[in-house]
Amino acid sequence: GQNIDQPTEMTATEGAIVQINCTYQTSGFNGLFWYQQHAGEAPTFLSYNVLDGLEEKGRFSSFLSRSKGYSYLLLKELQMKDSASYLCAVLDSNYQLIWGAGTKLIIKP
Amino acid sequence: GAVVSQHPSRVICKSGTSVKIECRSLDFQATTMFWYRQFPKKSLMLMATSNEGSKATYEQGVEKDKFLINHASLTLSTLTVTSAHPEDSSFYICSARPAGREENEQFFGPGTRLTVL
Repeated sequence: GQNIDQPTEMTATEGAIVQINCTYQTSGFNGLFWYQQHAGEAPTFLSYNVLDGLEEKGRFSSFLSRSKGYSYLLLKELQMKDSASYLCAVLDSNYQLIWGAGTKLIIKP
Repeated sequence: GAVVSQHPSRVICKSGTSVKIECRSLDFQATTMFWYRQFPKKSLMLMATSNEGSKATYEQGVEKDKFLINHASLTLSTLTVTSAHPEDSSFYICSARPAGREENEQFFGPGTRLTVL
């Protein structure tokens, strides 16, 4: 079966750094996405990784290791508005997105 | 950037009625559109994949006669919830994959919140 695991909830402090991990087992791999979702809203695209390594985009970075079936999203200089759910999703061999359940990130002052 | 719109954003209806939700790609053509449903405290659940000009492919467990999908053009897909019941109340989200793009990316609509009384 296809499976994507990420922590259910994480708490971090404003101004700090947090790393949200995602491990996956899917039938084929055509890339991994990270999305941010605020309560009551649709997910917003954050990043896309298809090759191993780190992709940096402002305060957010995403890392991929295909051999380990592992990715992480790194958020730096946390702001209160970063409180949201972060969804990891893998594009499988049929080019369909397999979603993780999301990690709820709580930012404290 | 690529923009996907949904209409309506919110709808409240009586049990037994049908509701149509539109998903439009505003500045690009989408050969494929996806319909998701979000359950409380859970991730998005893919309901169906719709390709322009052909029948939608439904995921296991999704009733195709209840959730009618039409993808009549490269910029519009519609989801009709027929004979809606309170258990159909949910957040329905569509996404669109641009045609001819190298990067496999989906652009999401803002979602439609359906409440069935």
